[in-house]
Amino acid sequence: AQKITQTQPGMFVQEKEAVTLDCTYDTSDPSYGLFWYKQPSSGEMIFLIYQGSYDQQNATEGRYSLNFQKARKSANLVISASQLGDSAMYFCAMRDGASGTYKYIFGTGTRLKVLA
Amino acid sequence: KAGVTQTPRYLIKTRGQQVTLSCSPISGHRSVSWYQQTPGQGLQFLFEYFSETQRNKGNFPGRFSGRQFSNSRSEMNVSTLELGDSALYLCASRRGGQLPQGLGYTFGSGTRLTVV
Repeated sequence: AQKITQTQPGMFVQEKEAVTLDCTYDTSDPSYGLFWYKQPSSGEMIFLIYQGSYDQQNATEGRYSLNFQKARKSANLVISASQLGDSAMYFCAMRDGASGTYKYIFGTGTRLKVLA
Repeated sequence: KAGVTQTPRYLIKTRGQQVTLSCSPISGHRSVSWYQQTPGQGLQFLFEYFSETQRNKGNFPGRFSGRQFSNSRSEMNVSTLELGDSALYLCASRRGGQLPQGLGYTFGSGTRLTVV
């Protein structure tokens, strides 16, 4: 069965510093997609970044980058130059590869607090 | 463009009652999924709909049901509410079809249901 593991329940980072949020995954499907979402206190899940299992390069989106290590089955999110507005819950998710469906399996999340 | 709209935003119900939650996807999106988020169980998949057909269902009792209309709007219903149904219910939409995996879900802000 597919599984996503986020081992950091909470993290603190100083404003303007970089922070890495860990995510490991388990799947036997050779084709999969990994996503990171941000959930502020308002509840909405905001898409940050995507990495496909066949992508040769690590994904980047502005201040977000994904450190994808396929052999280790890890997909860590790196946020550079942290801002106060980055304080939120962060979820790693994987698409369930079952044919004809499109559902996510989520990790338990990491609560990030950016300190001024 | 308008995002995914969920109504109502907050809801308080009594045990034994039933409730209907509504989700209007982004215009042009034909795939809608629902997730339940609780502190204890995290984010769990409820249903996936595409063009009015349920394509996938999560591991929830039969009290949880849903449907999708011809305009892609979706509703989910929970009958005979239990205290444990208190949660944030998130709806997400995507265009659907054979698209790059990176075109993932856009989530709404959720409906926070409290059962007393």
